[in-house]
Formats: sequence, structure tokens, C-alpha cells
Amino acid sequence: QLQLQESGPGLVRPSETLSLTCTVSGGSISSSNYNWGWVRQPPVKGLEWIGSIYYTGTTYYNSSLKSRVTISVDTSKNQFSLRLSSVTAADTAVYYCARDDILTGLIDYWGQGTLVTVSS
Amino acid sequence: QVVLTQSPSASASLGASVKLTCSLSSGHRSNAIAWHQKQPEKGPRFLMKLNTDGSHNKGDGIPDRFSGSSSGAERYLTISSLQSEDEADYYCQTWGTGKRVFGGGTKLTVL
Repeated sequence: QLQLQESGPGLVRPSETLSLTCTVSGGSISSSNYNWGWVRQPPVKGLEWIGSIYYTGTTYYNSSLKSRVTISVDTSKNQFSLRLSSVTAADTAVYYCARDDILTGLIDYWGQGTLVTVSS
Repeated sequence: QVVLTQSPSASASLGASVKLTCSLSSGHRSNAIAWHQKQPEKGPRFLMKLNTDGSHNKGDGIPDRFSGSSSGAERYLTISSLQSEDEADYYCQTWGTGKRVFGGGTKLTVL
């Protein structure tokens, strides 16, 4: 069964760059049918899509975060990564990696999530 | 720009049924959506993909108690024989102009 697992620092200083990696197991990130993406949930708020990437490197970003977000993929390691620059307290959230269908954009697998706190 | 609208809260008694609604904005009535369950302290769980005609494809291991239906711009999630573990936030999700969009979520309380 497909599994996604987030990893990365749980604490990031304001103005620095948040970096997370998602490791995919039980399936290939190079599948032609799926995008791989990131979603976050700030405390006491709803889910917010950050962006997605196809295994060839084509990316799709939420316009509200686009200037600060970079998503990349490493097919040799079956991983994809998120970098969010110039973070503030408003970026404190649980970050989830996820898989979505390239035809429908619908998410069908999620990681367990990792809490990232932005604080000095 | 597609917008998904959900009621903030819902409640129903243990063993009863509840029907949650996700409304698609004008111009996007034909969109398929996904329903996701978010239990406290857990990652989201994909429940099902729901098409315009009401046909749906459920995720791995999703019980038969969970079903979906559609009417016009409305997409529904029905949970029957409610159990305590069904108490969670439920989100609908769709896609538009390269962007994935979530509804605001419905907090379901099982009484």
C-alpha cells in the first residue's frame, strides 16, 4: 500500500526557509498518473493547498504563496520536497504531503503530517 | 475561481445517519470532488471521489457506512450508523485552473 512520510525540522526561525521532504513508499513517484503535493493546516484553521509537482518537474503553486514556494522532485530517491522562504508565525502549521490524480486534481493519499513552528 | 461551501458544523446521534453538503460555486457544477476525513491528531484520510452523476469511488478500507451523492451543484456525504470515531472534520476538495481547492470543512459531532 502506498505510504507518504514527511520529514524535516519542527522549528524554523522567522525570515528563514522551511524545508520538508516527503518519502514515498509502496509506489513509484514516476507514475504518469499522479502529481505529488503539499497541503498545510494552521492551528484552528482549515486545509490550504500549497502546490504540486509532476515527476518530470512541472509544478503548480497556490498563487498566494507562489513567490515563496519551491517544490522539487528526486525520482532516484522516490522523494519530493518543499521549500518555503521568508517564513513568519503565520506559516506555523501541520504540513502534509499528498498524491493527487493528474486528470481530476483530487487527492487520494495523504501523509501523517508534521508540525512546523515558526518562532525565534 | 472555484469555491466550495460547507456548513461549519453538524451533529447527529450515535447510530443515526447524517448528510453533509458541499456546494460548488457557479460555473463549476460539473466538477468532481473528493471527501476527506480529518480526525483529531491524525492525518487526513481520503474517503471518496464523487462525480456529478453521483457515482463514487471510495478509498482503501472505507466502510460501506460512507456513501456519496450529487444533485446539481451540491455534493453530499452520508454517514450511516454513526460511530463515535466518526466525530471529525470533513472537507471537500476539487480542482480548478491548476489549483486544488478545499471547502472550509464541517465539524461533525456525534451525540
